[in-house]
Amino acid sequence: DTGVSQNPRHKITKRGQNVTFRCDPISEHNRLYWYRQTLGQGPEFLTYFQNEAQLEKSRLLSDRFSAERPKGSFSTLEIQRTEQGDSAMYLCASSLVGYAYGYTFGSGTRLTVV
Amino acid sequence: QKEVEQDPGPLSVPEGAIVSLNCTYSNSAFQYFMWYRQYSRKGPELLMYTYSSGNKEDGRFTAQVDKSSKYISLFIRDSQPSDSATYLCAMSGRRGSNYKLTFGKGTLLTVNP
Repeated sequence: DTGVSQNPRHKITKRGQNVTFRCDPISEHNRLYWYRQTLGQGPEFLTYFQNEAQLEKSRLLSDRFSAERPKGSFSTLEIQRTEQGDSAMYLCASSLVGYAYGYTFGSGTRLTVV
Repeated sequence: QKEVEQDPGPLSVPEGAIVSLNCTYSNSAFQYFMWYRQYSRKGPELLMYTYSSGNKEDGRFTAQVDKSSKYISLFIRDSQPSDSATYLCAMSGRRGSNYKLTFGKGTLLTVNP
């Protein structure tokens, strides 16, 4: 197992375009999380899945954002009609249920909206 | 006021120095405390974790939690240039709500050879 994998590593898009990111978690982990990190800030929670169920969404996740985790495996995060304020690092992490310290983060997808 | 406050630095020290990194927090429900290290253009990597109050040591690293003061610290002894990174404190609540981490802003540390 090579850890949490995120693709692409970097995405540059024009304002108004849609983008989709993919996260492949550690195979035995049943929880998957998305965080957003802007320059000079710590990561902020966006949403999380337990298996295929999306159990919580932050108010940071506007209607333009949608996340899925079909069959409880990989996850996708889509941003529609991107805005310059969406420019950030989008981090995915995975863990086992109930293991509070067990987050493993991926290297992130850096989104630049021009 | 943010739930977790962390001085962003930057902090620059000579090789071999003892480094002290700190966070304060306001939410008394936090029970799990972590320190992550983040190298440039990489995701955070778990360094140390502590449940409730107390100290924990792992090699050159010591984590301390003082719940009465809502204050956590990370000490790095004999610092090395490879320790140069951003250090993020993170915390989460009681069992059942411990899935969501709240991070500090991170402190940028540079260890000079």
